[in-house]
Amino acid sequence: DTAVSQTPKYLVTQMGNDKSIKCEQNLGHDTMYWYKQDSKKFLKIMFSYNNKELIINETVPNRFSPKSPDKAHLNLHINSLELGDSAVYFCASSPLGQGKYEQYFGPGTRLTVT
Amino acid sequence: AQSVTQLGSHVSVSEGALVLLRCNYSSSVPPYLFWYVQYPNQGLQLLLKYTSAATLVKGINGFEAEFKKSETSFHLTKPSAHMSDAAEYFCAVSENTGNQFYFGTGTSLTVIP
Repeated sequence: DTAVSQTPKYLVTQMGNDKSIKCEQNLGHDTMYWYKQDSKKFLKIMFSYNNKELIINETVPNRFSPKSPDKAHLNLHINSLELGDSAVYFCASSPLGQGKYEQYFGPGTRLTVT
Repeated sequence: AQSVTQLGSHVSVSEGALVLLRCNYSSSVPPYLFWYVQYPNQGLQLLLKYTSAATLVKGINGFEAEFKKSETSFHLTKPSAHMSDAAEYFCAVSENTGNQFYFGTGTSLTVIP
């Protein structure tokens, strides 16, 4: 009965590779997000999707591309990985369509680029 | 633009003592305010939220927070700290469309036995 799930939980890869992180929510929410948490625990929003449409695209390199096949899924694809991409990536969802503003977070994906 | 300031990146309290984690926000419109807790190697869990109803908000695990508009604050408190409260705590503010969350830089709470 996991609410927001992410796979994989850990991802270790070399510079230059391409990788994807998957996110799924079973809460029926219409809005989903990707956040990056750096080594100092600072959380930065990367993208926000509402009903499969991109509504927030913060200043992130275009090597990062989100894809939302349906409103329950928001995947993150990263091309040409760099050392600085090492971080924990969190997916979240929100019931904005129901007039509620809290966000529910997945367990995170720890990406290590070597 | 909205922003959140959490005073004190590290707070230590003795077990059984009062927990007070500070959060101040800036917002040009009435905000929605949240506190989240992050245990090691886990995601963020919602502790409580303020969405323009009662100014004193009760959350899970015995935590509560009070919205003070005059002070632009939303401090988190718990009367008696427990060892299991040791974690990272984040304050967040949302503008009234809810599309954008602004997180504070977090406060690491240590509970001393």
